[in-house]
Amino acid sequence: KQEVTQIPAALSVPEGENLVLNCSFTDSAIYNLQWFRQDPGKGLTSLLLIQSSQREQTSGRLNASLDKSSGRSTLYIAASQPGDSATYLCAVKSNAGNNRKLIWGLGTSLAVNP
Amino acid sequence: ETGVTQTPRHLVMGMTNKKSLKCEQHLGHNAMYWYKQSAKKPLELMFVYSLEERVENNSVPSRFSPECPNSSHLFLHLHTLQPEDSALYLCASSQQPYQETQYFGPGTRLLVL
Repeated sequence: KQEVTQIPAALSVPEGENLVLNCSFTDSAIYNLQWFRQDPGKGLTSLLLIQSSQREQTSGRLNASLDKSSGRSTLYIAASQPGDSATYLCAVKSNAGNNRKLIWGLGTSLAVNP
Repeated sequence: ETGVTQTPRHLVMGMTNKKSLKCEQHLGHNAMYWYKQSAKKPLELMFVYSLEERVENNSVPSRFSPECPNSSHLFLHLHTLQPEDSALYLCASSQQPYQETQYFGPGTRLLVL
């Protein structure tokens, strides 16, 4: 059974720092992995989607990497800003059988302090 | 704005009440979802609808009753809920069922007393 773990659960950094959020999954047979952002009182917004054949995806100051063999993904945020404060969720879609659902981590709550 | 709206945004209800959550998507999508987000738990997929037909029901208790009158609207009817049902209920939509690119509404924060 696929399980997704995110470390750390919470992170507080000063503005301007580069930071890394981690996501690990137990079954490497994944179809893709996705990073989402959730702001308080708002829904989830997809940030980056990495297909199983890809190693990384970039969008602005965000870079997500995928290492299927080790069951890990990282989300790198460069030059963090207070506006980056949010909860970041990782979700994987398994490649096994008829399992079509996204399997979610608990998220990392990020606070970027001015 | 994500194009998916949910009402109400906050709801407090007693265990004997009956209430409904509403979701509307303005994106022309064919699939809609209800998720439950509880503290200390991963997002749980509750129901999936494709063109108004329910295609997945993840062992959700019968006190939660979904309704999809058309491809733009999704309801979640609630009755005789328990305090452990208190959570954030998120609606989402996608072009086709189970697509990764899902658009989420802001959620309804539900508190059951």
